[in-house]
Amino acid sequence: GNSVTQMEGPVTLSEEAFLTINCTYTATGYPSLFWYVQYPGEGLQLLLKATKADDKGSNKGFEATYRKETTSFHLEKGSVQVSDSAVYFCAQSGGYQKVTFGTGTKLQVIP
Amino acid sequence: NAGVTQTPKFQVLKTGQSMTLQCAQDMNHEYMSWYRQDPGMGLRLIHYSVGAGITDQGEVPNGYNVSRSTTEDFPLRLLSAAPSQTSVYFCASSYPDRGGEQYFGPGTRLTVT
Repeated sequence: GNSVTQMEGPVTLSEEAFLTINCTYTATGYPSLFWYVQYPGEGLQLLLKATKADDKGSNKGFEATYRKETTSFHLEKGSVQVSDSAVYFCAQSGGYQKVTFGTGTKLQVIP
Repeated sequence: NAGVTQTPKFQVLKTGQSMTLQCAQDMNHEYMSWYRQDPGMGLRLIHYSVGAGITDQGEVPNGYNVSRSTTEDFPLRLLSAAPSQTSVYFCASSYPDRGGEQYFGPGTRLTVT
């Protein structure tokens, strides 16, 4: 079946450091891929998406590129801020509505 | 535009009690779903609905019931609460042709003792 695997956290970085959170997926066909962010005490919010191979999603300085050859969708940001501290979820949607989420990666950014 | 709202925010139940978690959205989304979030397990789909009068089971439906009488509301019923149902519950909605782009409510933290 479809699945999403993302790196375990927590990830702790200093402010202005470079961020990478790895995400790989298994799917039949070509799903759409997403990154969601969850701030403490809140629900998930869509951060960015990519719907086909080689698409790059971007938002708020975060980027991720849909790599079909490596079945990956790694999240990157060039310079993290304390306000980026949150849990990040990678997800895929292949069928009509079904969304498969990864287990989440907690990011903590220290000043 | 309130988006997706959930009530209550917190709830404590005793084993065997029943309750309903409320979810409403004002974006005219046809698709709505319920997830539970547990540490180390991400989000797991409980039930979902593709429109009023239509519901279906997700990955972990046992012990839960849903109905969808209107486009706006999608309540989740716990029939007889068990400690294994201690979790954070999220409701989400989306347009039918953009299922991956879900709008989430703020969640209900449920503890069953």
